[in-house]
Amino acid sequence: DAGVTQSPTHLIKTRGQQVTLRCSPKSGHDTVSWYQQALGQGPQFIFQYYEEEERQRGNFPDRFSGHQFPNYSSELNVNALLLGDSALYLCASSLEIGTGLYGYTFGSGTRLTVV
Amino acid sequence: AQSVTQLDSQVPVFEEAPVELRCNYSSSVSVYLFWYVQYPNQGLQLLLKYLSGSTLVKGINGFEAEFNKSQTSFHLRKPSVHISDTAEYFCAVSETDDYKLSFGAGTTVTVRA
Repeated sequence: DAGVTQSPTHLIKTRGQQVTLRCSPKSGHDTVSWYQQALGQGPQFIFQYYEEEERQRGNFPDRFSGHQFPNYSSELNVNALLLGDSALYLCASSLEIGTGLYGYTFGSGTRLTVV
Repeated sequence: AQSVTQLDSQVPVFEEAPVELRCNYSSSVSVYLFWYVQYPNQGLQLLLKYLSGSTLVKGINGFEAEFNKSQTSFHLRKPSVHISDTAEYFCAVSETDDYKLSFGAGTTVTVRA
């Protein structure tokens, strides 16, 4: 049983470009959350998707957007990249039970470097 | 809004010695509490969680944590560490009517022989 799969594992982009990160949730999970982890810091919540809609959003600008597909997989898009967007982006999946916090599974992340 | 403070950024410890990682949180409502571990170049792995009930929570790999509501703390302990426990540890909190986790800045544990 595969866990959470994220692609690509590493990515280098230039300032001003756009990037799309992908996440396949753990089998049986229907909720996907995205977190940004800057170097030396704890993860920061970007947003959560459930039933193909953004259910909750953290304190991130509109340059950050996402999508969830009918098969529960998800994409994170970042437009107009800034140097400060360089970070590890983590995807977490869960099964919607109550608040959904009973079983978060994290992927290994995508390391984004903006130059 | 909730927040988490991990009181120690780095904790060096000798193999087979005990370790305690301190975590304090602030919230005006009921919370769920978590400890995660992150090994180099990997994602987060759940060590343990407090949702309700007994304030002493046992997790994987011999870790345990105690929820203290009056002191708003959730400290993590292990009585005897191994070299393999070298990693980054994160405390996280979620309000019971919320979907997101709020993480602390992390504590780096380095176990030496």
